[in-house]
Formats: sequence, C-alpha cells, structure tokens
Amino acid sequence: DIQMTQSPSTLSASVGDRVTITCRASQSITGWLAWYQQKPGKAPKLLIYKASSLETGVPSRFSGSGSGTEFTLTISSLQPDDFATYYCQRCNTWTFGQGTKVEIK
Amino acid sequence: EVQLVESGGGLVQPGGSLRLSCAASGFTFTTYNMNWVRQAPGKGLEWVSYISSRSSAIYYADSVKGRFTISRDNAKNSLYLQMNSLRDEDTAVYFCARTKLPDYSYGMDVWGQGTTVTVSS
Repeated sequence: DIQMTQSPSTLSASVGDRVTITCRASQSITGWLAWYQQKPGKAPKLLIYKASSLETGVPSRFSGSGSGTEFTLTISSLQPDDFATYYCQRCNTWTFGQGTKVEIK
Repeated sequence: EVQLVESGGGLVQPGGSLRLSCAASGFTFTTYNMNWVRQAPGKGLEWVSYISSRSSAIYYADSVKGRFTISRDNAKNSLYLQMNSLRDEDTAVYFCARTKLPDYSYGMDVWGQGTTVTVSS
C-alpha cells in the first residue's frame, strides 16, 4: 500500500507567516491529491483538489502544488482563522495523511 | 442549503451492531458518490467506505471489510452504514461525506457534522 506522510506533525507560526505543509507518498502517485482543514469538533473542509485546484469559496492565500511523490500546501499569510489541523488525501485510494496541526506561536 | 445529517450513533457493547444513517438535502443525491469517514478520539481521519451513485461500486477499508456494509436509498436521499461485530477500535466520530464531481479523484466536498459511536462494555 502507498503511504501518505505529512510533515511536520505540528507547526508553530504567527499571524502573517508563510506556512508550508508537505505530503509525501511512498511511491509516485498521480495528481489526485486533496487537502482539508479541520477545526476541533468540526467536520473537515475541502481546500484543494487535484493537487493545485482551489475549492470554491476558499481564500486565495491557500495554494497547493506538487506531483509524483511530493505535494505541498502553502498558506501565503497565516490568518487567525487558519489555526487548525490540515490533512492531505490520496483521493483514488481515499488514504489520508496523519495530519499537521498549525498552532499559534 | 446543501446538507448532510448523520444519526444513529451511540454506545454499544463489543460484538454488537449499529446502523448509521445520513440524510442528504439541498442537492441531487442520485448524482453523487458517497463515503463514510471516521475519526477516533484524538486521532486523524480514516476513510471507511465508498459507494457509487447507483450502488454499482462499493469499497471498504481493510479494517472494516466483512463487518461493515454501506448502502443507500436514492428514493429517500439517504446513506447508511451497517456496522456488525463492533470492536473497541471502532470507537470514533463517523462522518458521511459527498464525493466532489466528477468522481472520487476530486476529494470530498460536503461533510456532515458527524455521529459518535462508542464501543465499550
């Protein structure tokens, strides 16, 4: 099975920081990768699909990139509402990464 | 408003059964493939099962294969998860989630609020 590994597991950042989260696949995958944001006690929210397509209604400070085995989610300028846990997902096998918690520094 | 509402969670003893339901509204349910995803306390997301729009394709995670059954009733705009032989490790919040069109490769774009299943003696 192809494993999805996110790094870091936890990230401490300040409002206004540029933040990058990485998702690595144990083998090359196609671009069928999604990113989700989840806040405590809430359902996940789709941010990015097909590795780099921004979901409707998601702020443009979020972007996704990558191909092959390495993918990234970037928040260009961290806002107070962005402190949450982020998950990548390999969509054609539904496999989630283990999550990255973005905390206030 | 596009909405998914889960129900049916609760406390059940190991080895017991439970049936979860997910009521869809605000969109054409018959057009969409659907999923169940769970999250154990303090843990990450785990995909559980997928069903295509007309129930022609069904998949399960290895952890639930042979014990859980996904189904849907398009006439009732409802998704179900029959869970048998429940184990302690099935304790989680269970979310139903809609597959973004055109297919599962695009992720899950609408989620319910979740229903809690606790397996304990």
